[in-house]
Amino acid sequence: DPKIIQKPKYLVAVTGSEKILICEQYLGHNAMYWYRQSAKKPLEFMFSYSYQKLMDNQTASSRFQPQSSKKNHLDLQITALKPDDSATYFCASSHGLGGNTGQLYFGEGSKLTVL
Amino acid sequence: QQQVRQSPQSLTVWEGETAILNCSYEDSTFDYFPWYRLFPGESPALLIAIRPVSNKKEDGRFTIFFNKREKKLSLHITDSQPGDSATYFCAASGNYGNEKITFGAGTKLTIKP
Repeated sequence: DPKIIQKPKYLVAVTGSEKILICEQYLGHNAMYWYRQSAKKPLEFMFSYSYQKLMDNQTASSRFQPQSSKKNHLDLQITALKPDDSATYFCASSHGLGGNTGQLYFGEGSKLTVL
Repeated sequence: QQQVRQSPQSLTVWEGETAILNCSYEDSTFDYFPWYRLFPGESPALLIAIRPVSNKKEDGRFTIFFNKREKKLSLHITDSQPGDSATYFCAASGNYGNEKITFGAGTKLTIKP
């Protein structure tokens, strides 16, 4: 059974619309992340959360808003979608930002296509 | 500027050969270097990792060679199998892996039977 659940697995959106990507982890981890992978760029760090607090934000655009309603949830809201937002968005988690081994556990990704 | 660079972008080797995947980095404060493997349709997963106290880390058919002075490392996969076909990401982190992990662009490896 997958320990990090991402929903939906695939989605198609039109330019200008808004989507929410869901992520839940059942590993008991305290830190959660969003990464993005597109054809043109490497697996790119977006956000990190620890105990539901934003720790690091490497996303320039405010159109991307993480939301953490519970310690094991980290959703990603994307507004005013653009075709360049097309990518696979991976949620990940780790034991913690402090004292961890650096190992990330990834979800299976949400592949977003913006038309 | 990419902090972690990988080459080649894609690599094809015959079954049984050794595949060599290269990686270099910019930030001299990086002190933890994991390699992740991504099979199509699956999640990236940790394969093997090294810290600069060592210049070599071995795990079965997978070996990391690390050159701190040149800020380079490589992943060697010996006796390559078709099941090794995947995208391999070199990554780096500072503070013994307590900082965010920065990934390279990946090397897509294909093993031909």
